[in-house]
Amino acid sequence: GIQVEQSPPDLILQEGANSTLRCNFSDSVNNLQWFHQNPWGQLINLFYIPSGTKQNGRLSATTVATERYSLLYISSSQTTDSGVYFCAVADGNFNKFYFGSGTKLNVKP
Amino acid sequence: GAVVSQHPSWVICKSGTSVKIECRSLDFQATTMFWYRQFPKQSLMLMATSNEGSKATYEQGVEKDKFLINHASLTLSTLTVTSAHPEDSSFYICSARSPERTGGTGTEAFFGQGTRLTVV
Repeated sequence: GIQVEQSPPDLILQEGANSTLRCNFSDSVNNLQWFHQNPWGQLINLFYIPSGTKQNGRLSATTVATERYSLLYISSSQTTDSGVYFCAVADGNFNKFYFGSGTKLNVKP
Repeated sequence: GAVVSQHPSWVICKSGTSVKIECRSLDFQATTMFWYRQFPKQSLMLMATSNEGSKATYEQGVEKDKFLINHASLTLSTLTVTSAHPEDSSFYICSARSPERTGGTGTEAFFGQGTRLTVV
């Protein structure tokens, strides 16, 4: 199956700081998504981004499919951004959807 | 609002009993649904993939007789944990996808809110 690696595993920020989370994957994919898992376990869809760049408020994401990586940018971080961020990819037939190990973000006031 | 609804959100059951978890797509027909399990402080582990009207495809190491999956309609999939034991206690999450929901040829996946199962 496709291997998905996320870095860093843990990240501590001061409120207001910017950060970049990375997702590397081992094979070509036809779907890549970023999620934020809240303290209750709910996975919040952030971006559906198999390629290109998207922005949504303070968040933006870029996927370079040919180089097999994606980046999630968080600007002017807030304490409510704390939680675990997951990257997930699907293979060409979308028969399986694989998750990375996540980045645990802690934004301190 | 939520596009995938999972029920119940939490359940406590006695060892040896069975528990059914429902996953519904609310505003689209889900051709494929996925079931995941998540242990504390770990990532999501894919358990099985189900397509409407056909048998589920289980990941290696997942007991199909213990975790029964039924995708009876395009809006409902169920996971039944049979003869539950304390080691089955975990967070279970379902996901649904549909090109119709994403638009074009997209295949965005949407997740339910999860079910926390505790077996005592």
